[in-house]
Amino acid sequence: AQRVTQPEKLLSVFKGAPVELKCNYSYSGSPELFWYVQYSRQRLQLLLRHISRESIKGFTADLNKGETSFHLKKPFAQEEDSAMYYCALRGAGGSYIPTFGRGTSLIVHP
Amino acid sequence: ETGVTQSPTHLIKTRGQQVTLRCSSQSGHNTVSWYQQALGQGPQFIFQYYREEENGRGNFPPRFSGLQFPNYSSELNVNALELDDSALYLCASSGWTSGNTGELFFGEGSRLTVL
Repeated sequence: AQRVTQPEKLLSVFKGAPVELKCNYSYSGSPELFWYVQYSRQRLQLLLRHISRESIKGFTADLNKGETSFHLKKPFAQEEDSAMYYCALRGAGGSYIPTFGRGTSLIVHP
Repeated sequence: ETGVTQSPTHLIKTRGQQVTLRCSSQSGHNTVSWYQQALGQGPQFIFQYYREEENGRGNFPPRFSGLQFPNYSSELNVNALELDDSALYLCASSGWTSGNTGELFFGEGSRLTVL
């Protein structure tokens, strides 16, 4: 079975501080990992996927298969980063159905 | 390009009733999946439809059923509503026309309250 764990329900930082939102996963095969974000009064949307190895809005995430983690990082948080962040895993084979974590609320204070 | 739209946005039902939620997928997408999101939780996968066939189902009882139509729009039906069915129901579309990137495009959801 595949599982995604986001241990922090809430992360509160000040503007300019580094941010790390944790995500750990459990999957027996080779997973695809994603981060989705939901800004206030907006719909859930993709932030980044691990296979792209890209930086979006200053955020990066590296898949660490040894630690089964996919933490989301940003060196300097901005107030507009305040949102709900969900880590998701998609397993290979079958219908490629993603499993979501429970989400971490990031609040960036001025 | 039209995004994913869901209706209704809010509805209130009583225990034992039945509800139908609707979703129009994004243009060019042929796959629709449904999620239940309870308060304070992440989206929980209900089922997925590809070319009008169910091709994946989560841990939900048979009273949760669905349909996909030739235009790729979809319905989620829930029979014999229970209080615990109160949640935000999200529809997401994806599709081969945009490449199998795994990206889901979500609607704004239908908030169901069961009294």
